[in-house]
Amino acid sequence: DAGVIQSPRHEVTEMGQEVTLRCKPISGHNSLFWYRQTMMRGLELLIYFNNNVPIDDSGMPEDRFSAKMPNASFSTLKIQPSEPRDSAVYFCASSFGRSVISSGNTIYFGEGSWLTVV
Amino acid sequence: DAKTTQPPSMDCAEGRAANLPCNHSTISGNEYVYWYRQIHSQGPQYIIHGLKNNETNEMASLIITEDRKSSTLILPHATLRDTAVYYCIVKSRAMGLNNDMRFGAGTRLTVKP
Repeated sequence: DAGVIQSPRHEVTEMGQEVTLRCKPISGHNSLFWYRQTMMRGLELLIYFNNNVPIDDSGMPEDRFSAKMPNASFSTLKIQPSEPRDSAVYFCASSFGRSVISSGNTIYFGEGSWLTVV
Repeated sequence: DAKTTQPPSMDCAEGRAANLPCNHSTISGNEYVYWYRQIHSQGPQYIIHGLKNNETNEMASLIITEDRKSSTLILPHATLRDTAVYYCIVKSRAMGLNNDMRFGAGTRLTVKP
């Protein structure tokens, strides 16, 4: 079974440009997460969705960042306009919760999208 | 969710057991202990989790103290490929809308030949 698929794997863009990162979660999973990782701040949770609905976006740094999940098999993280401080690795992850009270969910990560804003 | 404390770094000789500690003194009764690792340039990878009993799988063993205030991840025969950052996370039982997993700084394990 394919894991979490992210694209692009690497992107270099100029400051001010729009960046769109894409994610396909594992089929059947009902939770999707976007994380950002930098040397300074480590691995930060930006936003997560449950059944395509955003549940907690408190980690989204500012209005330049937006995330959507139009259906169960696709999500995007958009940065507009991008800035050099947005340079980081962005990870998408997914998990499956069997019921409202679950035994705890294992999260599966993609390989990340390496973003450099110059 | 309870907070965890891990040493920032550890070394281990190849072929020996690597024992990675984690303190979670404020853990509550319904919180699980999860371990993930991140090998350089890859996404984090799930290793194991447990509630109160010791657990073992093909990757590692998890030993949780009786009071549940600390745990140890054991890699029985560490290899060079086990060099990674290991994250210990305490997570409450997911209530449908509380599935998020938040990572601390972890322990950087270096396996040396």
